[in-house]
Amino acid sequence: AQSVTQPDIHITVSEGASLELRCNYSYGATPYLFWYVQSPGQGLQLLLKYFSGDTLVQGIKGFEAEFKRSQSSFNLRKPSVHWSDAAEYFCAVGANAGNMLTFGGGTRLMVKP
Amino acid sequence: DAGVIQSPRHEVTEMGQEVTLRCKPISGHNSLFWYRQTMMRGLELLIYFNNNVPIDDSGMPEDRFSAKMPNASFSTLKIQPSEPRDSAVYFCASSRQGFAGELFFGEGSRLTVL
Repeated sequence: AQSVTQPDIHITVSEGASLELRCNYSYGATPYLFWYVQSPGQGLQLLLKYFSGDTLVQGIKGFEAEFKRSQSSFNLRKPSVHWSDAAEYFCAVGANAGNMLTFGGGTRLMVKP
Repeated sequence: DAGVIQSPRHEVTEMGQEVTLRCKPISGHNSLFWYRQTMMRGLELLIYFNNNVPIDDSGMPEDRFSAKMPNASFSTLKIQPSEPRDSAVYFCASSRQGFAGELFFGEGSRLTVL
């Protein structure tokens, strides 16, 4: 069965600083990988996804993520964080083209002014 | 376009009472999911429907939980009887088959069982 680990429960960065959120997955075949963001009191919103092809994927709100098969990682990055990026971020893995996802435990991002 | 609509947004009930959570998926979406989110266990998939048919309910905690999807535009998640450990935020999400992983989530129903 697939699993997802997000090693950092909380991260605090200063506004304007760069950001990297870590995600490691476990799955025997080529995974389908996703990042979702959850603002307080809201549902989750898809930021970006990787299915195949270019290992660097661009998403909404200036986020990008890089798939590294050798490291079983799919880290999320943003060059300059804005205060509005404060939220909880979830990495997820799908087993196939179907829709069943396994989510990581989430990383809560706080942004200092 | 209207997103996934869930009701109620908040529910406070007493142990032993029946709770019904409702979800209206996005029109045209044929997959529907119920998730539960808690601090301790994170996001858990409870059940997944495709074209109104339950495909995988292995995440449903126990017989006290049941879910139905009588038509393409409505689903319910019922807990009977409710227990304090059922307190959580319950999310409904929908997607179009073939758009793997692109789930659209509702705003959730926060359930508190006293």
